[in-house]
Amino acid sequence: EVQLVESGGGLVQPGGSLRLSCAASGFTVSSNYMTWVRQAPGKGLEWVSIVYTSPTPYYADSVKGRFTISRDSSKNTLYLQMNSLRREDTAVYYCARLGVDSYAMDVWGQGATVTVSS
Amino acid sequence: EFVLTQSPGTLSLSPGERATLSCRASQTVVSRYLAWYQQKPGQAPRLLIYAASTRASGIPDRFSGSGSGTDFTLTITRLEPEDVAVYYCQQYHSSLWTFGQGTKVEIK
Repeated sequence: EVQLVESGGGLVQPGGSLRLSCAASGFTVSSNYMTWVRQAPGKGLEWVSIVYTSPTPYYADSVKGRFTISRDSSKNTLYLQMNSLRREDTAVYYCARLGVDSYAMDVWGQGATVTVSS
Repeated sequence: EFVLTQSPGTLSLSPGERATLSCRASQTVVSRYLAWYQQKPGQAPRLLIYAASTRASGIPDRFSGSGSGTDFTLTITRLEPEDVAVYYCQQYHSSLWTFGQGTKVEIK
């Protein structure tokens, strides 16, 4: 079964760091385009970052310079390292797989909740 | 900057009615890169439509997508109670993805 499972969410103070993990099963993370999307409480969806099969990642302006996307082929896992966290980063973070031809997000994880608060 | 504007904000219909959701882009969207998602309360989003009009795997045929250029539409024929959700359109352009603000579909 094709599945994504996020972990690593939690409560962190402003300025702190957190790393989210997204474990894949049923397909290979390194052979697919993988992305992170977030949703602030009561708000809509916001794209955060993508990594293609090549190493070059892309980021939304709101997280550029603070967040880093990466993957570990041996663990078949995608990561999002979040540094210098701000209150406005509070959200549910979803990892998703992108269709190669459509660039649409065809498999989603269940989400990990990140709360930035003192 | 790409902006997707969805209308209406909320749609309240009776079971069996037809729902028409609009997504208007600030610039021309390549149809191949226009998608629609459904998000039920407390759940992750689910891909409904990609390439503007292609249903994703397992999506009932009462869901259909159409449009081109800057105007796209998601239609739900014969609305069912399980279709209560927020629906988002999304586009891709130059390694950036943009979502609309969503349309909430309610059952009367």
